[in-house]
Amino acid sequence: QLQLQESGPGLVKPSETLSLTCTVSGGSISSSSYYWGWIRQPPGKGLEWIGSLYYSGSTYYNPSLKSRVTMSVDTSKSQFSLKLSSVTAADTAMYHCARGDKGGYTYGGTIDIWGQGTMVTVS
Amino acid sequence: QLVLTQSPSASASLGASVKLTCTLNSGHSTYAIAWHQQQPEKGPRYLMKLNSDGSQSKGDGIPDRFSGSSSGAERYLTISSLQSEDEADYYCQTWDAGIQAFGGGTKLTVL
Repeated sequence: QLQLQESGPGLVKPSETLSLTCTVSGGSISSSSYYWGWIRQPPGKGLEWIGSLYYSGSTYYNPSLKSRVTMSVDTSKSQFSLKLSSVTAADTAMYHCARGDKGGYTYGGTIDIWGQGTMVTVS
Repeated sequence: QLVLTQSPSASASLGASVKLTCTLNSGHSTYAIAWHQQQPEKGPRYLMKLNSDGSQSKGDGIPDRFSGSSSGAERYLTISSLQSEDEADYYCQTWDAGIQAFGGGTKLTVL
């Protein structure tokens, strides 16, 4: 069964860049049937989509974060990553990586596997 | 703009049924959604994909107590025979040309 595990610093200083990695195990990261994404959840609040990365190389980002977000993939390590620049306290959140099942869509589809998440505090 | 609206809270008694609603905004009423459950202090779990015609496909191991239905722009999640472990936050999710959106979530309390 495919599993996702987030990793990265739990504490980031304001104005610096948040960097997280998601390691995919138990399955292939190189499949055109799926996409890979990041979602965050501030303490006590709901889920916020950050961005998605596709096998084709296409990326889609939340318009509210687009100027600060970069996502990339390293297929040799079965990992994909998130960089969020110029962070502030508002970026403090649990960050989840996830797999999406395109289900026939060119872009989009249901998120069907979630990582447990990693808490990042900006302070 | 892609917007999903959910009631902030719902409650029902142990053993009863509850129906949660997710409403798609104008122009997106035919879109499919996914339902996710987030139990306290845990990561989200995928429950099912729900199409506009009411057809659904569940994630692995999701009990038959969980079912979905659709009417117009509304997508429903019905949980029957409520158990204590069903007390959780429930989120709907949809997508449009690569952009994703989540509803604000419904906190379900099992009385």
